[in-house]
Amino acid sequence: DIVMTQSPDSLAVPLGERATINCKSSQSVLYSTDNKNYLTWYQQKPGQPPKLLIYWASTRESGVPDRFSGSGSGTDFTLTISSLQAEDVAVYYCQQYYRTPRTFGQGTKVEIK
Amino acid sequence: EVQLVESGGGLVQPGGSLRLSCAASGFTFSNYWMHWVRQAPGKGLVWVSRINGDGIFTNYTDSVKGRFTISRDNAKNTLYLRMNSLRVEDTAVYFCAREQNSGYSNWGQGTLVTVSS
Repeated sequence: DIVMTQSPDSLAVPLGERATINCKSSQSVLYSTDNKNYLTWYQQKPGQPPKLLIYWASTRESGVPDRFSGSGSGTDFTLTISSLQAEDVAVYYCQQYYRTPRTFGQGTKVEIK
Repeated sequence: EVQLVESGGGLVQPGGSLRLSCAASGFTFSNYWMHWVRQAPGKGLVWVSRINGDGIFTNYTDSVKGRFTISRDNAKNTLYLRMNSLRVEDTAVYFCAREQNSGYSNWGQGTLVTVSS
């Protein structure tokens, strides 16, 4: 199985500041046939199902604010919130889509400092 | 509007069985891979199973292989998860999700399965 490891487990950032979450996969999730990284990011608020933010490592889902961005390739990925807003308080998960089982990272809790 | 509505969760004793359902609407159900993802109380997300559009191809995480069966009825726009030989560690909220753009673009609200004596 591909192991997904996120860091940090939690972080507290002042309103308006940048939040950065890292995700590392135990093997590459770059698919050579289409040169796409099969890596997605989700946001989950308490009591709600997850919401898709980013797919193919850097493509923002429709309707997601542009303060959210994804980057990286191969085994190392980053989700950046450029200017943290109060409504961004949530747990964020990365997931690899390269092969089954479709493993998730353990989650990163983002709070306001 | 895309909607996914799970049902069938509840309290069951270890070794018991349940069948979860996920009623889909707002899209052509048979065109999409569908997945089950679970989340134990206070824990992270765990992928459980997936099924392709015509129900021929399925995959499972190792911990549920041989105990859980995913299926679908495209005439009823409904996804199922039959869970047998349930264990305490299967206790979780079970979400169904639609796969699109290599991600889960839509999720249900989840149904809680509690395995306890």
